[in-house]
Amino acid sequence: DQQVKQNSPSLSVQEGRISILNCDYTNSMFDYFLWYKKYPAEGPTFLISISSIKDKNEDGRFTVFLNKSAKHLSLHIVPSQPGDSAVYFCAASNTDKLIFGTGTRLQVFP
Amino acid sequence: GAVVSQHPSRVICKSGTSVKIECRSLDFQATTMFWYRQFPKQSLMLMATSNEGSKATYEQGVEKDKFLINHASLTLSTLTVTSAHPEDSSFYICSARSDRGGGYTFGSGTRLTVV
Repeated sequence: DQQVKQNSPSLSVQEGRISILNCDYTNSMFDYFLWYKKYPAEGPTFLISISSIKDKNEDGRFTVFLNKSAKHLSLHIVPSQPGDSAVYFCAASNTDKLIFGTGTRLQVFP
Repeated sequence: GAVVSQHPSRVICKSGTSVKIECRSLDFQATTMFWYRQFPKQSLMLMATSNEGSKATYEQGVEKDKFLINHASLTLSTLTVTSAHPEDSSFYICSARSDRGGGYTFGSGTRLTVV
């Protein structure tokens, strides 16, 4: 039972444009959501998080939106840069445990 | 920021042998550490949660006798894959949460290949 899903396995975006990565969850008890960036053979790197009491959190080029009624969150990266190319995981939690999505591979081309 | 050191980064072992992976929090105390496994092109799957000084809590479907977890101090957790088999080949990642609260910090992962 995949409680956190990222339905797009890959996304290709031109440099300078906006990248939008989506994530859906099924457990309404989740109260904290995170986005991680991961390169092959490395551990995930934290990008940005959002608490369920908010609907938006922004940090530089990264903005996370949360729609609790739809059980959906998204990560916006603008402007996208070639260095953003990686696999992005969303994660959700309501205890100490993080439940990860399946990941979306983002490729930013010049 | 918080740093978690994980080693070895990669290990190749023969089938039937045991492998130990270490995870250390370098500049903070971690009362709780987590161990994940990632198969190629798949998500990070939580294997177990370890709390300092107590037994680990394993997720459903994870064999606790095969994946031994020890969290003997506030800065060190180890995962031992016992009697490894080729199907145990995977990428193992640890994560720690500071006792001061805050977010999760991940180790750099260990690529285990069992031949």
